[in-house]
Amino acid sequence: DAGVIQSPRHEVTEMGQEVTLRCKPISGHNSLFWYRQTMMRGLELLIYFNNNVPIDDSGMPEDRFSAKMPNASFSTLKIQPSEPRDSAVYFCASSFAATGELFFGEGSRLTVL
Amino acid sequence: QKEVEQNSGPLSVPEGAIASLNCTYSDRGSQSFFWYRQYSGKSPELIMSIYSNGDKEDGRFTAQLNKASQYVSLLIRDSQPSDSATYLCAVNMDSNYQLIWGAGTKLIIKP
Repeated sequence: DAGVIQSPRHEVTEMGQEVTLRCKPISGHNSLFWYRQTMMRGLELLIYFNNNVPIDDSGMPEDRFSAKMPNASFSTLKIQPSEPRDSAVYFCASSFAATGELFFGEGSRLTVL
Repeated sequence: QKEVEQNSGPLSVPEGAIASLNCTYSDRGSQSFFWYRQYSGKSPELIMSIYSNGDKEDGRFTAQLNKASQYVSLLIRDSQPSDSATYLCAVNMDSNYQLIWGAGTKLIIKP
């Protein structure tokens, strides 16, 4: 069975550009999480979806960030406009019933110049 | 402020020895505890979960939970160079989904 699939794996962009990160969770998992990881701040939860509905977006840093989950097999995280401080690795993770046993994708490494 | 504390390391252990990783948490009401392993440049991978006091063993890994003292530990027996990674402790404190993450302990197994 395929794991969580994220794309792109690497993204280099210039400040002010729009960035869209994509995630396909494991089939049958009803909980999806977007995390951001940096050396300084570690793993930070950005947003949590349950059954495609955003439950907690309190971790989204500001209005430049938005996330959608139009169906059970696809989610996007968008940053518009991007800034250098957004540079980080963005992970998507899914789980069954939000038990805390998360399956992470390989991550999208974002560099904003 | 709900916190999970880990020694950042690096913790250096000779090959074949027991590696002991520790984690303390602030919320006495915490219910679920997890250890994730993260290799450099890779994503976190769940290796152990523990929900009740005592020990839980899985192969070379043993998780230990002491709720009274608010700590959880991970023991790795017969340490191998392939165990070299950062180990993240995560605690579910008061919701079904919000994990509080430690900063991780970097473990180095020396051949």
